[in-house]
Amino acid sequence: AQKVTQAQTEISVVEKEDVTLDCVYETRDTTYYLFWYKQPPSGELVFLIRRNSFDEQNEISGRYSWNFQKSTSSFNFTITASQVVDSAVYFCALSEASGYSTLTFGKGTMLLVSP
Amino acid sequence: NAGVTQTPKFQVLKTGQSMTLQCAQDMNHEYMSWYRQDPGMGLRLIHYSVGAGITDQGEVPNGYNVSRSTTEDFPLRLLSAAPSQTSVYFCASSLSLDSYEQYFGPGTRLTVT
Repeated sequence: AQKVTQAQTEISVVEKEDVTLDCVYETRDTTYYLFWYKQPPSGELVFLIRRNSFDEQNEISGRYSWNFQKSTSSFNFTITASQVVDSAVYFCALSEASGYSTLTFGKGTMLLVSP
Repeated sequence: NAGVTQTPKFQVLKTGQSMTLQCAQDMNHEYMSWYRQDPGMGLRLIHYSVGAGITDQGEVPNGYNVSRSTTEDFPLRLLSAAPSQTSVYFCASSLSLDSYEQYFGPGTRLTVT
């Protein structure tokens, strides 16, 4: 069975600090997809990134970067120079190729960025 | 495109009442799902559909029914509401089997007293 673990329940940082959110996953499939979603205080889920299991290249998008390592089954998310607007709950999720587009979510990490 | 819409946004039920949470998408997506979000639990899959007329159970299906008579709509029915079903419910849709980005609705906050 697939599983996603986000061991950090809550992280507090001061603005401009860098912060890394950890995500470890378990799956038996060789083809799978990993996602990160952001849930701001308003409650909606905002898609951040999708990565397939055959693409281990790290990705950078502005202040966001993702480190995918199959050897450790991790897909970590780093925010550089954090801002107050980054305060949200961040979810890592996994979808197996055979899983009909259904997602298994981690329990989320709440990030609090203070001024 | 309106994307994924959900109604109502908020609902209070009494134990034993039934109701339907509505979900619709206008993106011609084949795949639709319902998740519930509980504090400290992340989102858990209730039911999903791979196309009109086809539905299947997710991780936590008990107490819920779904049907998919059209591509656009995927309602979630609570047959006899229980306090354990107090949660935030999200509907999602996806273009294809290849697990592209899932588009989520704004959620329905349900309280069962």
